[in-house]
Formats: sequence, C-alpha cells, structure tokens
Amino acid sequence: KNEVEQSPQNLTAQEGEFITINCSYSVGISALHWLQQHPGGGIVSLFMLSSGKKKHGRLIATINIQEKHSSLHITASHPRDSAVYICAVRRSGGGADGLTFGKGTHLIIQP
Amino acid sequence: DTEVTQTPKHLVMGMTNKKSLKCEQHMGHRAMYWYKQKAKKPPELMFVYSYEKLSINESVPSRFSPECPNSSLLNLHLHALQPEDSALYLCASSQVFPRLGGEGYTFGSGTRLTVV
Repeated sequence: KNEVEQSPQNLTAQEGEFITINCSYSVGISALHWLQQHPGGGIVSLFMLSSGKKKHGRLIATINIQEKHSSLHITASHPRDSAVYICAVRRSGGGADGLTFGKGTHLIIQP
Repeated sequence: DTEVTQTPKHLVMGMTNKKSLKCEQHMGHRAMYWYKQKAKKPPELMFVYSYEKLSINESVPSRFSPECPNSSLLNLHLHALQPEDSALYLCASSQVFPRLGGEGYTFGSGTRLTVV
C-alpha cells in the first residue's frame, strides 16, 4: 500500500462545478503539500499544511491530522484549473529527506 | 526572490556527451533536492543536499553526479546517459527544518532532458 493515496485518479467536470480531491497518508508527517502541475510543466506549490485550513483565491485546503486525511477544494472551477494535482507529505522527524508523493489526480474542466 | 531557477529548460544530448544541469535559489534555503520525473508519474527523489553536504543518494547510477558548490547553487553533472534517462529533472529547495506555518518546498520549472 502506498504511503500517500489520492482519489480520484482522474476527474472530468464542467466549468463552474465544485471540485474535491482527497488525500490519505499512513505515516507521521511534519507537513502536507498540495502541488499543481500542468502538462509538460514544472511543479507549483499551492499549499503547505500542518493543521486546519488554508484558502487562496478559489482554492481551499484542509487537513485532519488525527484522521491522516487532507482535501483540496476548487470552487467555481475553470478550464485553466485543468492540471495534475499532487498530494505530497514531508515525514516527521526533522531534517531534509524529500517528499513522499501521491500518484496525482488528473483534473479536466470542460467549458 | 522566491524562485528556484533551473537552466537549461530543454536539453538534448547524445549518449557520449557530458552536460550539466544548474539550479539556483536565493531564499536562504539550506536543503536542496534533485528529482526525476517520467511522463505521467510522480517525481522520484534522486539526491538531497543539507547544508551543502550530500545527505541522501537514492541509489542513483554514477552517470549522474551532483554537486553543491555553495548554499545557493546545485548542479547535476551528466555523463554517458542512456535513452531511458530521458525525463523532466526537477530541482527543489526548502528549509532543513520547516517551521510550523513556515515556508514549504519551492520547485523549479525543470529541465526537459532527451538522450538520443
């Protein structure tokens, strides 16, 4: 079983719909990251969470440390939101040891 | 400056060539990372530098040779690569010990490498 599981793997929705992407993890973490990657492009960090909720524009990210679960929500989705969204965790214990990635959610927003 | 800058953006090299990828950041991050990403897969960690010293090598073949000449620069030297090494190579940086609510990871836009 992967240490970071995302669902769904693929999601197609109509413009304007409310989008939810889920992430569950099985290891102790110091932080959870939500990342965005457009086809052929680099990775953009959307959020880093260690507790609670963060909002940036139409994007909202939440984390429940006790349940080891995080969600990324997109309100009023737009075709430019089409991308791969990746959940990644930084393990607890300190030090620099890289991120552990989920397999990503491929999101397509149709006009 | 809140960016990680990678050069070149694209690179085509033959199997007998020697080339280098460069990564630069000026955020004061003392941890720097190289990742390799194949199409439709998540990134795979290759190397981690912490305070300019190599701290993690994920069993990467010796044809990839990292170098961290100072706290702002990270290089990846390439020699005698194989076609299967073609991928997107991503650099990232972070604080070694992230503060709660502090900065996270910053990724560069990557170098798209094609080995012919």
